Amino acid sequence: DTGVSQDPRHKITKRGQNVTFRCDPISEHNRLYWYRQTLGQGPEFLTYFQNEAQLEKSRLLSDRFSAERPKGSFSTLEIQRTEQGDSAMYLCASSRGQTYGYTFGSGTRLTVV
Amino acid sequence: AQSVAQPEDQVNVAEGNPLTVKCTYSVSGNPYLFWYVQYPNRGLQFLLKYITGDNLVKGSYGFEAEFNKSQTSFHLKKPSALVSDSALYFCAVRDTKNAGNMLTFGGGTRLMVKP
Repeated sequence: DTGVSQDPRHKITKRGQNVTFRCDPISEHNRLYWYRQTLGQGPEFLTYFQNEAQLEKSRLLSDRFSAERPKGSFSTLEIQRTEQGDSAMYLCASSRGQTYGYTFGSGTRLTVV
Repeated sequence: AQSVAQPEDQVNVAEGNPLTVKCTYSVSGNPYLFWYVQYPNRGLQFLLKYITGDNLVKGSYGFEAEFNKSQTSFHLKKPSALVSDSALYFCAVRDTKNAGNMLTFGGGTRLMVKP
């Protein structure tokens, strides 16, 4: 069990630029989740994949956000035309199933300047 | 819709004393309940879960939690706090009647254990 890896750990970008984050889940886990966490708040759900299928998307996920999990392994989260309000920690988690807890990565901290 | 409330932003306790971090939930069906801990600049770490069975569940680092269906609560407890327990704690719920698969998290409670 090598854990959930996220890359990069930190990203500073100028407003209007596009950014892409990567998540490598635990290999045996078929479920993958993206959450966003702002300072002092709990994580907010963004989207969920089961294998390569994106099964749920939050209303928080505007059309500037897109996520993929092309082969049911790693996932990417892209934010286009970033805004200052996108500054947050983006957390990826994976899981074996509904009765199992999530295993979280260390997150990608995005700062939009 | 599923929701979680953590009524205390911060809990202060002296080292060696018992601690309780409160959590209440709202679901349509039955709940799956989880506690996570977060240290600075880190992701969340799983502590324990309630799925079914015994209402008292034990988890990592000496933590335990009690599921109370009538009070819709799942409070986190530890008999003797350590300074190293100081961190941010999150309660989370999934509604078994909800077709969705995600966990909904509370706003978090900061635990400060003083020597």
